Amino acid sequence: QSVLTQPPSVSGAPGQRVTISCTGSNSNIGARYHVHWYQQLPGTAPRLLIYGNSDRPSGVPDRFSGSTSGTSASLDITGLRAEDEGNYYCQSYDSSLNGYVVFGGGTKLTVL
Amino acid sequence: QVQLQESGPGLVKPSETLSLSCTVSGRSIGYYYWTWIRQPPGKGLEWIGVIYYNGSTTYNPSLRSRVTISADTSKNQLSLKLSSVTAADTAVYYCARYLEGTLGFCYMDVWGKGTTVTVSS
Repeated sequence: QSVLTQPPSVSGAPGQRVTISCTGSNSNIGARYHVHWYQQLPGTAPRLLIYGNSDRPSGVPDRFSGSTSGTSASLDITGLRAEDEGNYYCQSYDSSLNGYVVFGGGTKLTVL
Repeated sequence: QVQLQESGPGLVKPSETLSLSCTVSGRSIGYYYWTWIRQPPGKGLEWIGVIYYNGSTTYNPSLRSRVTISADTSKNQLSLKLSSVTAADTAVYYCARYLEGTLGFCYMDVWGKGTTVTVSS
């Protein structure tokens, strides 16, 4: 069981918008530790998509955006494209047990 | 730019020690922090631990008793050792560069392609 909770799957048609949620607790997101997002396309390693809650690394399209509120975070993807299909993971830091990095269980995005 | 390449045995017997290496190119490992993450087949990501500039380490509490991460600056390599493995340790193992700002502001910006390890007799 992951410390951060994500929906197992989301889907949308090309051009649409989808939102992936990431729910934590007062020892991670609620403690204002930053949330980061990774994209993992089939058969590849994860790639950093969003860092520091809402910043995009160079080369990531502005169709991807992140936000946080309370003990949750969200990843929004607008103008959905077929090549966005894959798994998305949120990540933060948890202050329990002397502190460690935690991931969400991942969300499978299907582009219909 | 920084590139990472994991390597090691693809098959390890139960109760033995899993040993992997990660060769870093494009930058000396002494300038950054480095981490290991694993992904069991069909499952999500699990953070294993991190090694800092000074060689100190922090591990996932669930693996702390079995894991050792070290660095060899002369070879620009990281290593991961996981003892007393079972089938549950079967996974793709990734090394990654770990960026940390203030406490808790930490993420992985460059990843290796991963190496698959199967635990089986």
